[in-house]
Amino acid sequence: EPEVTQTPSHQVTQMGQEVILRCVPISNHLYFYWYRQILGQKVEFLVSFYNNEISEKSEIFDDQFSVERPDGSNFTLKIRSTKLEDSAMYFCASNVILSAPQHFGDGTRLSIL
Amino acid sequence: GIQVEQSPPDLILQEGANSTLRCNFSDSVNNLQWFHQNPWGQLINLFYIPSGTKQNGRLSATTVATERYSLLYISSSQTTDSGVYFCAVDSSGNTGKLIFGQGTTLQVKP
Repeated sequence: EPEVTQTPSHQVTQMGQEVILRCVPISNHLYFYWYRQILGQKVEFLVSFYNNEISEKSEIFDDQFSVERPDGSNFTLKIRSTKLEDSAMYFCASNVILSAPQHFGDGTRLSIL
Repeated sequence: GIQVEQSPPDLILQEGANSTLRCNFSDSVNNLQWFHQNPWGQLINLFYIPSGTKQNGRLSATTVATERYSLLYISSSQTTDSGVYFCAVDSSGNTGKLIFGQGTTLQVKP
């Protein structure tokens, strides 16, 4: 069964550094998402992306965050200047149409030192 | 925005027991999914169930959209069922944004 793939599985970065989290959604999917989960808390929506545009973003998704689909397969989340509070698990998800289940990757655990 | 509440927050079962997890939501939804988060942090899709009833092995789910709740049934629980169960809903209609509940933490003891 096709899967959403995320790399790396764990990223350790110094505060203030830029980090790029990578995702390969399922190949025929058109809608893409990033979510994050701070340790011990619920999963929170960050951003949705369709047709090379952001369709919705949350209050968390401020100017330090950006998303990109640089080619036909990758979907990336960039954090320009990381803060301690950015430490979390980041999940990428995709679905083929809006009225279909979202498939989640295994996540990237981001640790900011 | 839509509110999603799950109950109970924590549940401890003996292996072999049955359980029911509940998800209440405050507005109409286009999408409702149940996930199991295993001890490694992976979110495993259990059900896509904006309405109706589905079954998959020992698990089943029912969503009554008109009354704004969904139930997840686990029968003959096993230690591998341990983890956190999340309900997530989309009421946006046009962006796919999922709002997650706080989760139910299930521990199944041998």
